[in-house]
Amino acid sequence: DQQVKQNSPSLSVQEGRISILNCDYTNSMFDYFLWYKKYPAEGPTFLISISSIKDKNEDGRFTVFLNKSAKHLSLHIVPSQPGDSAVYFCAASDWGTSYGKLTFGQGTILTVHP
Amino acid sequence: DADVTQTPRNRITKTGKRIMLECSQTKGHDRMYWYRQDPGLGLRLIYYSFDVKDINKGEISDGYSVSRQAQAKFSLSLESAIPNQTALYFCATSDLASGSRDTQYFGPGTRLTVL
Repeated sequence: DQQVKQNSPSLSVQEGRISILNCDYTNSMFDYFLWYKKYPAEGPTFLISISSIKDKNEDGRFTVFLNKSAKHLSLHIVPSQPGDSAVYFCAASDWGTSYGKLTFGQGTILTVHP
Repeated sequence: DADVTQTPRNRITKTGKRIMLECSQTKGHDRMYWYRQDPGLGLRLIYYSFDVKDINKGEISDGYSVSRQAQAKFSLSLESAIPNQTALYFCATSDLASGSRDTQYFGPGTRLTVL
């Protein structure tokens, strides 16, 4: 039972345009959400996070939006750059029961074309 | 130097062999995790440890065992490797005291192939 889903296996975007990566979850107890980026032959690196008490968090070109009623979050990258080409994983946690364990989505491969 | 290191980075082994993957960290974190990544399945938790005396099974622990030798070291063992354990394996760490709740920091991964 996949509690965190990234339904788009891949996304292709032109340099300078916006990239929007989506993530859906089913567990209403999740109260913290993270995005990780992974390059080939490297481990995932933390990108940005958001608490369930917020609906938006920004860090430079990266913005995460959370829609709790729809159990949906998205990562916006503006403007997209070729160096953003990587696999992006969303993850969620529920402090009350998981004590910091993360549940990951399947990942979305982002390709940014020059 | 990397904060979280994994050895070996690549390993090819045969069915039935025992293999150990090692993870070391210099971040001073209490919590350590082992994940495997398979295409289309994302990262799945195998085992986790919240301190040296605390070891817990994750969602896919069958066929694996772990040892937390020290705060900085967490090893994953496959007692009798089978082909469907072919995957990318990642070690991660986290620390509540750092203030970055639930954020985990990953090693570079070990690519394991079981023939």
